[in-house]
Amino acid sequence: DVKVTQSSRYLVKRTGEKVFLECVQDMDHENMFWYRQDPGLGLRLIYFSYDVKMKEKGDIPEGYSVSREKKERFSLILESASTNQTSMYLCASSFRLAVSTDTQYFGPGTRLTVL
Amino acid sequence: RKEVEQDPGPFNVPEGATVAFNCTYSNSASQSFFWYRQDCRKEPKLLMSVYSSGNEDGRFTAQLNRASQYISLLIRDSKLSDSATYLCVVKDPSNTGKLIFGQGTTLQVKP
Repeated sequence: DVKVTQSSRYLVKRTGEKVFLECVQDMDHENMFWYRQDPGLGLRLIYFSYDVKMKEKGDIPEGYSVSREKKERFSLILESASTNQTSMYLCASSFRLAVSTDTQYFGPGTRLTVL
Repeated sequence: RKEVEQDPGPFNVPEGATVAFNCTYSNSASQSFFWYRQDCRKEPKLLMSVYSSGNEDGRFTAQLNRASQYISLLIRDSKLSDSATYLCVVKDPSNTGKLIFGQGTTLQVKP
């Protein structure tokens, strides 16, 4: 079974704090993704990575950065948290090779509240 | 136009009913399609892939119509435990592994 874990299920931070969200997968997947999910807006891609030390911007990268130092670990960083970054953050991973049925597997999510 | 469109619902059906969800996608180059299920405050989980010839997994049937750029999910004999949000998902044809998600259709099965 694919296992994707995230460091926290719930997190409360203050405006201006630096926030680290960690994601680890144990399936030797090359691709890793960070999304946020908000009511009425669905899942939106923040950043993704297809290899160690590689990163690509998704649809809403502003206010976020990422780090991929090891294949199994992908970190999302909020440099200076703001209240509009209160959201559910979901990490996902997948294989790189383009087999049509390959898809992404998600971690349990981190519900972040910024006060 | 959104890349993947779904009717958000909610669909309220009695136990035992048959219910169908539809989804349209805008990029005709798309090749891979999926349905995910998401329970309240949980992560999305893969329900099934959608194959060109249509495919069935127990009470669930997925169909693809490439000409109309349309995907469907049929649930027969609905159970209370089927209550969830169903996400229509299309793989980005650019080969990055990115997925494009619909906003989801909410199903509530009532006793």
